[in-house]
Amino acid sequence: KAGVTQTPRYLIKTRGQQVTLSCSPISGHRSVSWYQQTPGQGLQFLFEYFSETQRNKGNFPGRFSGRQFSNSRSEMNVSTLELGDSALYLCASSLEASFDISYEQYFGPGTRLTVT
Amino acid sequence: SQQGEEDPQALSIQEGENATMNCSYKTSINNLQWYRQNSGRGLVHLILIRSNEREKHSGRLRVTLDTSKKSSSLLITASRAADTASYFCATDGMNTGFQKLVFGTGTRLLVSP
Repeated sequence: KAGVTQTPRYLIKTRGQQVTLSCSPISGHRSVSWYQQTPGQGLQFLFEYFSETQRNKGNFPGRFSGRQFSNSRSEMNVSTLELGDSALYLCASSLEASFDISYEQYFGPGTRLTVT
Repeated sequence: SQQGEEDPQALSIQEGENATMNCSYKTSINNLQWYRQNSGRGLVHLILIRSNEREKHSGRLRVTLDTSKKSSSLLITASRAADTASYFCATDGMNTGFQKLVFGTGTRLLVSP
């Protein structure tokens, strides 16, 4: 079974631009989560989608948004990029999702975004 | 902000030795997970332990959980150079919602041949 894929793997953008990152979960997985990883803040949860609905959101400004398609593929968008948005963006998928129990997540290789 | 704090921040050992890393967290949890990350890459799930479990094994890995102390430990026995990576604990605090993992600061493990 193919793992989680993320495109592109590397991206260089200029301040003020916007960017869209893509994630394809493992076949059959319906939950997709996004995380940002930086040296200073570590791994931080951005948002989670399940059946095309955003069910949970981390503490990030509205410039960060996402969506999920009917095939469970997900995209995240960052508008008006700032230097501090430079990070590794990780997508993770999981098979099950219930209210009171989390499940193991399978991570993609990440997209390395550099904002200049 | 991160809920988990890991200790030590860095650990350097020789092949064949055991490596122990600890994780402390702040709020009640449903379960705790451990992940490994090789330099700048995606995370690999290692083990999940539920709040009603105290110990779990997987190959050379042994995880313990003490919910009264809000802490967990990961033991890697007979370490190998290939175990060199960063290790993170992650919790899903109760009432924080679906699949929202809160990661610790990580322990960087270096295993020398």
